[in-house]
Amino acid sequence: NAGVTQTPKFRILKIGQSMTLQCTQDMNHNYMYWYRQDPGMGLKLIYYSVGAGITDKGEVPNGYNVSRSTTEDFPLRLELAAPSQTSVYFCASSLLGTDNQPQHFGDGTRLSIL
Amino acid sequence: GEDVEQSLFLSVREGDSSVINCTYTDSSSTYLYWYKQEPGAGLQLLTYIFSNMDMKQDQRLTVLLNKKDKHLSLRIADTQTGDSAIYFCAEWNYGQNFVFGPGTRLSVLP
Repeated sequence: NAGVTQTPKFRILKIGQSMTLQCTQDMNHNYMYWYRQDPGMGLKLIYYSVGAGITDKGEVPNGYNVSRSTTEDFPLRLELAAPSQTSVYFCASSLLGTDNQPQHFGDGTRLSIL
Repeated sequence: GEDVEQSLFLSVREGDSSVINCTYTDSSSTYLYWYKQEPGAGLQLLTYIFSNMDMKQDQRLTVLLNKKDKHLSLRIADTQTGDSAIYFCAEWNYGQNFVFGPGTRLSVLP
């Protein structure tokens, strides 16, 4: 029962470096999401996808890019890491379009930019 | 736009009931959720309520929805130390994304 899997769990980057946060789900969910959670704050939506080949910006997309080439995978890319991107990143998926389908979350990636 | 608000902190004694409150602004919300986040972990769905209901009970959890006041609450009966976590209220409507509140940090004191 893997659900939503995120890798890596922890990462430290230098300013200006780039990296990709991986997210994969094995539930055949159509919708996938990337959130960031800053200390003492709720979740802010970065990007989401309603299916393979379709992505849309959320509330805080600047500095990030995503792709959705398969139903299972939804990687999040940081091109030029900045200290403001220090956060915990959560990937989630859901099967919308039917009766109540809540989001299933991964365990998060803790990212520090120094 | 939509907004979901919660008080940030709540402390209760072990064995007492906890009531976590949430208010939202989108009157067209279809589903309202409660998620639990334990330290170092992702969000775990606790329970949800459909907007045409006013109460849902699931073991120690009771969800009350007042649509008129756009107020949602989560009551945890016989609160235990294992209930210490951050609790997020979230709303969702067809054609829109989930909107989360800032989370309420519940501390259970012995």
